[in-house]
Amino acid sequence: GESVGLHLPTLSVQEGDNSIINCAYSNSASDYFIWYKQESGKGPQFIIDIRSNMDKRQGQRVTVLLNKTVKHLSLQIAATQPGDSAVYFCAEIPYSSASKIIFGSGTRLSIRP
Amino acid sequence: NAGVMQNPRHLVRRRGQEARLRCSPMKGHSHVYWYRQLPEEGLKFMVYLQKENIIDESGMPKERFSAEFPKEGPSILRIQQVVRGDSAAYFCASSPRPDVPDTQYFGPGTRLTVL
Repeated sequence: GESVGLHLPTLSVQEGDNSIINCAYSNSASDYFIWYKQESGKGPQFIIDIRSNMDKRQGQRVTVLLNKTVKHLSLQIAATQPGDSAVYFCAEIPYSSASKIIFGSGTRLSIRP
Repeated sequence: NAGVMQNPRHLVRRRGQEARLRCSPMKGHSHVYWYRQLPEEGLKFMVYLQKENIIDESGMPKERFSAEFPKEGPSILRIQQVVRGDSAAYFCASSPRPDVPDTQYFGPGTRLTVL
């Protein structure tokens, strides 16, 4: 079946440190993997994506790593700021249904001053 | 260019009543998606519509739930005879084209509470 899950439900990070949020997936037949940020009371906001034929992609302060061998996805946030506090979801778009986004259950990131 | 609009933002219904959730996509977007989110969980896909057509409703419960996206006006998610288990946040997303993740923009959601 289709399944995207996260290792940790909560993560507390010191302001200025790097954050690493991990995600395991079980469906090998996915075209895209995506990270979303959801702040309280808001809809998900796209952060970064990676296609299945890549293993690394960088954005502004964020890096996504994809390890297809162990079916693992991670989001690295450099120099974490208070505004990064949110719930982060990994998600995937399977080849079989290119418009359906399958979300994981989320990791709550909190920032210590 | 305004983002995806959803209304109402909060909706309270008693068991057995009907709930109507509205989604106005971004200007120029003809693809609309509805998702449901239970507390502390990820979003679950419900239905994908283009103007006047349902493309994929594989995530929609077979009974009581329906969705439409008419030629004019917003997309509507309708839940008849609501039950407590329908309490959730319902998010709509829109895109100008399918298949590309960063073009699917989410609205702020409607939080439905069933008493």
